[in-house]
Amino acid sequence: EPEVTQTPSHQVTQMGQEVILRCVPISNHLYFYWYRQILGQKVEFLVSFYNNEISEKSEIFDDQFSVERPDGSNFTLKIRSTKLEDSAMYFCASSDTSGGASYNEQFFGPGTRLTVL
Amino acid sequence: DQQVKQNSPSLSVQEGRISILNCDYTNSMFDYFLWYKKYPAEGPTFLISISSIKDKNEDGRFTVFLNKSAKHLSLHIVPSQPGDSAVYFCAAKVNNAGNMLTFGGGTRLMVKP
Repeated sequence: EPEVTQTPSHQVTQMGQEVILRCVPISNHLYFYWYRQILGQKVEFLVSFYNNEISEKSEIFDDQFSVERPDGSNFTLKIRSTKLEDSAMYFCASSDTSGGASYNEQFFGPGTRLTVL
Repeated sequence: DQQVKQNSPSLSVQEGRISILNCDYTNSMFDYFLWYKKYPAEGPTFLISISSIKDKNEDGRFTVFLNKSAKHLSLHIVPSQPGDSAVYFCAAKVNNAGNMLTFGGGTRLMVKP
């Protein structure tokens, strides 16, 4: 069964450092997402990406964040200068339809735990 | 801004009995609702969904009920099995307005053998 994969599973970094979280979405999917879950809190939407551009982003996704699809398989989330409050579980997801009038199931990866010290 | 709320952080049920997980929302623009299940160290896994044009959707042991007037939905699992023990998240979206899912805080279900 196809699945979304994410690397690394755990990333530890110093405050102010740049991190890149990597995701390989399901191969025939066209829409890609990043969510995060701070410990003890809700899963929160960060950004959605389609056709090599951001289609929607939340207020969390500020100038410190960027996303990229550098090749045909990877989808990355970059945090330029990490802060303590960026410590969270980051989930990548993908889907093969945009939704619209029909249901859109987002398949989630296992997550990357980011710890900022 | 808690647009989707799951007021019960945990629920304990005996194996074979029914589990009922509840979810309330405030945004009347939501028109599609989903339930995800999450095990530790894994990402959320889709379980079942419902469109706002329906009031019930059933898939095997899982049934989702939607009460639009009350802005309330529930997930019924019957019969409950120990393998159902996980955190269950309710999520909502507005169709034709992007794909952002708004999640509730989750309910931890424990099914005792």
